[in-house]
Amino acid sequence: KNEVEQSPQNLTAQEGEFITINCSYSVGISALHWLQQHPGGGIVSLFMLSSGKKKHGRLIATINIQEKHSSLHITASHPRDSAVYICAVRRETSGSRLTFGEGTQLTVNP
Amino acid sequence: DTGVSQNPRHKITKRGQNVTFRCDPISEHNRLYWYRQTLGQGPEFLTYFQNEAQLEKSRLLSDRFSAERPKGSFSTLEIQRTEQGDSAMYLCASSSRPGRRTDTQYFGPGTRLTVL
Repeated sequence: KNEVEQSPQNLTAQEGEFITINCSYSVGISALHWLQQHPGGGIVSLFMLSSGKKKHGRLIATINIQEKHSSLHITASHPRDSAVYICAVRRETSGSRLTFGEGTQLTVNP
Repeated sequence: DTGVSQNPRHKITKRGQNVTFRCDPISEHNRLYWYRQTLGQGPEFLTYFQNEAQLEKSRLLSDRFSAERPKGSFSTLEIQRTEQGDSAMYLCASSSRPGRRTDTQYFGPGTRLTVL
C-alpha cells in the first residue's frame, strides 16, 4: 500500500464546476504539498500545509492532521485548470525528501 | 519558469550507453533534490544535497547512478550502462531555508530519458 493515496485517479468536469481532489496518507508528516503538473513535465508548487486551510485565488487546500487527510478544491473550474494534481508529504522521519501520490489527472471541458 | 533549469530537456540513447544530466538550481538555494518519474506515476525520490554534501540516497539509486554537486551550485546526475527501465522523466528541485524542514521545493522542467 502506498504511503500517499489520492482519489480519484482521473476526473473530468465541465467548466464552472466545483472540484475536489482527496489525499490520504499513512505516516506522520511535518508538511503536505499540493503540486500541479502540466503536460511536458513542469511541476509547480501550489500549497504547503502543516495545519488548517490555505486559499489562493480559486484554489483552496485543507488538511486534517488527526485524520491524515487533505483535500484540494477548485472553485469555478476552467479548462486551463486541466493538469495532473499531485499530493506529496514530507515525513517526520525522512529529512527533506518528499513522498508523492500517483497524481490525479483533471480534465475540464468547456 | 520557476528559476530551476535542466539540460538537456530530452535525451534518447541506446542501451548500455552512459548519460549525464545537469541541473542549475535557483542561485541562493542550498538544497537540491533529484526525483524520477515514470509514465502515469508520481515522482520518486532519488537523492538530496545540502550545499555540496549528498545527505540522502534512495535505494532506487543503484550503483549505476551517481550524482554530484561539486561546488554547491549546479548538480549532475550520471547513469552508466543505461537500461530500458531507466526510461523516465528526471526531475530536479531546489529549496532554501537552512534549518527549516518545511521549505517549498521549486522544480525544473525535467529531462526526459528514452533508452532504446
